[in-house]
Amino acid sequence: RKEVEQDPGPFNVPEGATVAFNCTYSNSASQSFFWYRQDCRKEPKLLMSVYSSGNEDGRFTAQLNRASQYISLLIRDSKLSDSATYLCVVNGATSGTYKYIFGTGTRLKVLA
Amino acid sequence: DTGVSQNPRHKITKRGQNVTFRCDPISEHNRLYWYRQTLGQGPEFLTYFQNEAQLEKSRLLSDRFSAERPKGSFSTLEIQRTEQGDSAMYLCASSSRTSAQNTGELFFGEGSRLTVL
Repeated sequence: RKEVEQDPGPFNVPEGATVAFNCTYSNSASQSFFWYRQDCRKEPKLLMSVYSSGNEDGRFTAQLNRASQYISLLIRDSKLSDSATYLCVVNGATSGTYKYIFGTGTRLKVLA
Repeated sequence: DTGVSQNPRHKITKRGQNVTFRCDPISEHNRLYWYRQTLGQGPEFLTYFQNEAQLEKSRLLSDRFSAERPKGSFSTLEIQRTEQGDSAMYLCASSSRTSAQNTGELFFGEGSRLTVL
């Protein structure tokens, strides 16, 4: 089983739609969680961290469910510019380690 | 430009040859990471350094791969006796103690694309 699993998609949605991605992780001791965005042929960039209480940044909402070991990302009012691959990232499970494990990524295409 | 710099950006080599990639991190960053990414996959962790110390290396990494970070500044990733399966984008990222703890932000370079013929 992969350490971090995501549905690869693609998710094709019309502009203005709400879309949600889930990600599951295998190591219950994992300590921190993130969503990165990767545009085609570009390097990944941090989109947002995911906090236990859930957090929001504009149209983006991230949530963490430690009991079920999954992380979600909700994008409201999708824009064409949101088209990208969204990577779920989990930090290492032992204290003092900073090993970041990336999921396969979920491709999003927002259609006009 | 003060971002993460990787060289060469593209490398085409014949099977069996050795290749070396260089990464220059953001100057004040003490952690440096190497990842490999193939089409349709997320970045796969290879190894990471804190200053000059290599703290973790993926079990997936064969003995043909070696990475160094002398003096805790730039890093090199060498692949010996390349195989066609080594063809991928090799990404370098750096972070500082502060950024990693507070935001988990890794700053990636544009990558070095390897093609093994």
